[in-house]
Amino acid sequence: GDSVTQMEGPVTLSEEAFLTINCTYTATGYPSLFWYVQYPGEGLQLLLKATKADDKGSNKGFEATYRKETTSFHLEKGSVQVSDSAVYFCALSTNSGYSTLTFGKGTMLLVSP
Amino acid sequence: DTAVSQTPKYLVTQMGNDKSIKCEQNLGHDTMYWYKQDSKKFLKIMFSYNNKELIINETVPNRFSPKSPDKAHLNLHINSLELGDSAVYFCASSQDHRVGYNEQFFGPGTRLTVL
Repeated sequence: GDSVTQMEGPVTLSEEAFLTINCTYTATGYPSLFWYVQYPGEGLQLLLKATKADDKGSNKGFEATYRKETTSFHLEKGSVQVSDSAVYFCALSTNSGYSTLTFGKGTMLLVSP
Repeated sequence: DTAVSQTPKYLVTQMGNDKSIKCEQNLGHDTMYWYKQDSKKFLKIMFSYNNKELIINETVPNRFSPKSPDKAHLNLHINSLELGDSAVYFCASSQDHRVGYNEQFFGPGTRLTVL
């Protein structure tokens, strides 16, 4: 079945550091890929998405590129802020039948001043 | 305006009780979902409804019964609550389930604690 693997957290960084959160997937066909963010005490918000190979999703300084050859969708940000502290979820949606989101286990990011 | 809302936000109850969680979306979407997030933050789909019809039912105990009175509402009723049901339950909706229309919008979650 479909699955998403994310790096274990927490990831602890200082403000203005470079962020990478790795995400790889296993799926049949050509899934759509997503990054969701969950701030403390809140629901999930879509951060960015990509629907086909080589697409780059970007939002709020975050970027991720859909790499079919390595089945990856790594999240990056050049300079993190304290306000970026949250749990980040990589997810995929299959493009056939009734599509749902398959989530990775989430990666907690803690940014200190 | 809240796009996807859930009530209650917190629910504390005894083992063996029956409880319901309500979800409403004002986005005009056709498809709604229930997810369970465990203590380790892992999220798993439970159910999905499209235009009031059940389309996805993962291996969830039959103590859990979703009900969709109309396409803007998807409620979750849980009978005979067990300790292991303690989790955060998220409702979500999408325009529909097809490619290109299945971006999901999440509610704020309901934290259920079973004592």
